[in-house]
Amino acid sequence: QQPVQSPQAVILREGEDAVINCSSSKALYSVHWYRQKHGEAPVFLMILLKGGEQKGHEKISASFNEKKQQSSLYLTASQLSYSGTYFCGTDFGNEKLTFGTGTRLTIIP
Amino acid sequence: DADVTQTPRNRITKTGKRIMLECSQTKGHDRMYWYRQDPGLGLRLIYYSFDVKDINKGEISDGYSVSRQAQAKFSLSLESAIPNQTALYFCATTLGSGNTGELFFGEGSRLTVL
Repeated sequence: QQPVQSPQAVILREGEDAVINCSSSKALYSVHWYRQKHGEAPVFLMILLKGGEQKGHEKISASFNEKKQQSSLYLTASQLSYSGTYFCGTDFGNEKLTFGTGTRLTIIP
Repeated sequence: DADVTQTPRNRITKTGKRIMLECSQTKGHDRMYWYRQDPGLGLRLIYYSFDVKDINKGEISDGYSVSRQAQAKFSLSLESAIPNQTALYFCATTLGSGNTGELFFGEGSRLTVL
């Protein structure tokens, strides 16, 4: 069961904020977030374990709502370098990741 | 040099041909994965392995086979390639133990089946 990501695409001006959501129909053990730039491999951003923990990575942070089986990625004061496709990956406790279909983020000057 | 290396990076082949994509890693990780990426579909898991003697099917294993020749090497084979196997293929590794840790991806192998 692939997690559902929303929105599918978003365009922002530099300095604006964005939220990307990831929801699952199954109970989650953990959620991963990755960013993939065009023509490159996905790169790890962070892992959130069940417990509602919020993590941060520079101006990128995320939350995990275990009850709702949802995670959100927050990008604050976006920079041009944040452009790319963001994927959430869900772990149902079976030690493999199931990825969402991605959210394409475009930052314009 | 990259920690996770995939070969070939690009390959064009014809329907019915046998193709092997190779992945090797220098990170000393036990867990290795093969994913397929298609536009709009994200990354889908083909096969994964937790050690040399352990091979598991992922979501879309039909038409594919794998071989874990050593801890550091994990190969993906298409026995008889078909056009809808045209895609970008990624190998990934992680240090195993309990929940899935950070995945380290190779640079990808772009396969075109004519």
